[in-house]
Amino acid sequence: AQTVTQSQPEMSVQEAETVTLSCTYDTSESDYYLFWYKQPPSRQMILVIRQEAYKQQNATENRFSVNFQKAAKSFSLKISDSQLGDAAMYFCAYTGNQFYFGTGTSLTVIP
Amino acid sequence: KAGVTQTPRYLIKTRGQQVTLSCSPISGHRSVSWYQQTPGQGLQFLFEYFSETQRNKGNFPGRFSGRQFSNSRSEMNVSTLELGDSALYLCASSLDQGYNSPLHFGNGTRLTVT
Repeated sequence: AQTVTQSQPEMSVQEAETVTLSCTYDTSESDYYLFWYKQPPSRQMILVIRQEAYKQQNATENRFSVNFQKAAKSFSLKISDSQLGDAAMYFCAYTGNQFYFGTGTSLTVIP
Repeated sequence: KAGVTQTPRYLIKTRGQQVTLSCSPISGHRSVSWYQQTPGQGLQFLFEYFSETQRNKGNFPGRFSGRQFSNSRSEMNVSTLELGDSALYLCASSLDQGYNSPLHFGNGTRLTVT
């Protein structure tokens, strides 16, 4: 069965610093997609970044980048130059025949 | 382009009642999926509809049902409400049937069962 694990329920980072959120997943598939979503207090889930499993190059979107280790089934999110607006719940997701989400990491940004 | 719209934003119901939640996807999106979000459980997949057909269903009891209309709008119904059904219900739409398309979420409906 496909599962997604986020082992850090809470994380904090100083403004302007870098933080890495961890995510591991379990699958027997070779072709799939991985996503990071952000959920601020407004509740709306927002797509942060997407990674295709067949691509070895790590995805990058401005200050957000991933470290995708396919053999280790690891998909971590790095946020550089953290800003107050980055404070939110972050969910890692894997897609096989449906979307599977982790339980989330609550990120606090300290001014 | 308008985003995914969910109504109502908040609902308070009594145990044993039934409830219907509504979701209007982004224009042009034909896939609509529903998720239950509770603290500590993350998002649990309920079901997905594509072109009025249920394509996939999560591991929820039959009290949870849904449907999709020809204009892609979707409704979710929960009958015989239980206290444990209290949660944030999120609807998401995507452009096509493949699972490589990102989900676009609404703001959710917060259901409280007393």
